[in-house]
Amino acid sequence: EVQLVQSGAEVKKPGESLRISCKGSGYSFTSYWISWVRQMPGKGLEWMGRIDPSDSYTNYSPSFQGHVTISADKSISTAYLQWSSLKASDTAMYYCARQEIAPDYWGQGTLVTVSS
Amino acid sequence: EIVLTQSPGTLSLSPGERATLSCRASQSVSSSYLAWYQQKPGQAPRLLIYGASSRATGIPDRFSGSGSGTDFTLTISRLEPEDFAVYYCQQYGSSPGFTFGPGTKVDIK
Repeated sequence: EVQLVQSGAEVKKPGESLRISCKGSGYSFTSYWISWVRQMPGKGLEWMGRIDPSDSYTNYSPSFQGHVTISADKSISTAYLQWSSLKASDTAMYYCARQEIAPDYWGQGTLVTVSS
Repeated sequence: EIVLTQSPGTLSLSPGERATLSCRASQSVSSSYLAWYQQKPGQAPRLLIYGASSRATGIPDRFSGSGSGTDFTLTISRLEPEDFAVYYCQQYGSSPGFTFGPGTKVDIK
């Protein structure tokens, strides 16, 4: 069974750093891209970027380039999304999704709350 | 970056009725790389349609997609109670941004 399991909810202060994770199982992790998608409270979906776990090649949406970093460790079938300095506006649900054609299997989401 | 527009914003229908959702792109979507997702409150999105018209695994045949170029449609032939949700289109053919539309909410009339 294909599964993407994300790390748990986080509460952080502005300026803090954070890395959330997405662990794939039930399929060949290096055969599919992993995309990250943001959903701010009560809002729609925003595609942030993706990584090819086989070689860590990344694409970013222009809206997120330079604000987040996507990485992966293929030895443990895990992708990451990280921030070096969080802002209150980063408060959102973040989803990872497996992507060969369109994103097909999705993680359960990680809620990130940034508040002073 | 391709901008997607969805209409209507909200669709109020009764179970058993037909739903027609529209997704329009600001420029042609490469090779019909257009997908549709369903999202219910508190849940992750679920892939319904990819390649504009191919149903994802396990998706009932009451869901169908059509279109090409800049105009795409998701049709739900007969609404079931579990179909009331928000629907998003996404283009994944044009890097760098695989943009989503703003969504259409299908609610119970």
